[in-house]
Amino acid sequence: KAGVTQTPRYLIKTRGQQVTLSCSPISGHRSVSWYQQTPGQGLQFLFEYFSETQRNKGNFPGRFSGRQFSNSRSEMNVSTLELGDSALYLCASTPTGTANTEAFFGQGTRLTVV
Amino acid sequence: GENVEQHPSTLSVQEGDSAVIKCTYSDSASNYFPWYKQELGKRPQLIIDIRSNVGEKKDQRIAVTLNKTAKHFSLHITETQPEDSAVYFCAASIKNGQNFVFGPGTRLSVLP
Repeated sequence: KAGVTQTPRYLIKTRGQQVTLSCSPISGHRSVSWYQQTPGQGLQFLFEYFSETQRNKGNFPGRFSGRQFSNSRSEMNVSTLELGDSALYLCASTPTGTANTEAFFGQGTRLTVV
Repeated sequence: GENVEQHPSTLSVQEGDSAVIKCTYSDSASNYFPWYKQELGKRPQLIIDIRSNVGEKKDQRIAVTLNKTAKHFSLHITETQPEDSAVYFCAASIKNGQNFVFGPGTRLSVLP
């Protein structure tokens, strides 16, 4: 089985722009979660989607949004980018949508805002 | 909501020594506790996990212990090797059982 795939791997954007990141989960996995990783801040939970519905949301401003498609692929959008949004964005998928099994992470998209 | 604390934030050990990382959680309803290892420039990967109906689990040089009463769990690595150098994250399932909260991470350095 192919692993979790995130595209693009690297992005450089300017303040004020918007960006869309993509995550393709492992085939058959229906839950996709997004995390922001910055040095010293660990893995900050953004949101989680299951069967095209956002079930959980972390403490991030409304500039961060996402969606999930019928094939379970998910996208994350950040509007009006700020310098502080520079981070590694990771997505993870699980098969059942319950947090009692291994979450498989993608390699991440490294976003740099200049 | 669930809060997971993790200590220490950095840990240096000599090759062959043991390393212990401790985590505490706040939600007594959490029932699944995975540990992830993230090597530099790579994705986090599960190394061991434990469920709330078990007190200890071992896999070769790695073990995890869980104290439900005290709401803490620990990762133990014995006979450390340079390839164990990485950032380790603990996590706990949240109340609705749908997602995880991660600890802030521990950077482990194994010195040759």
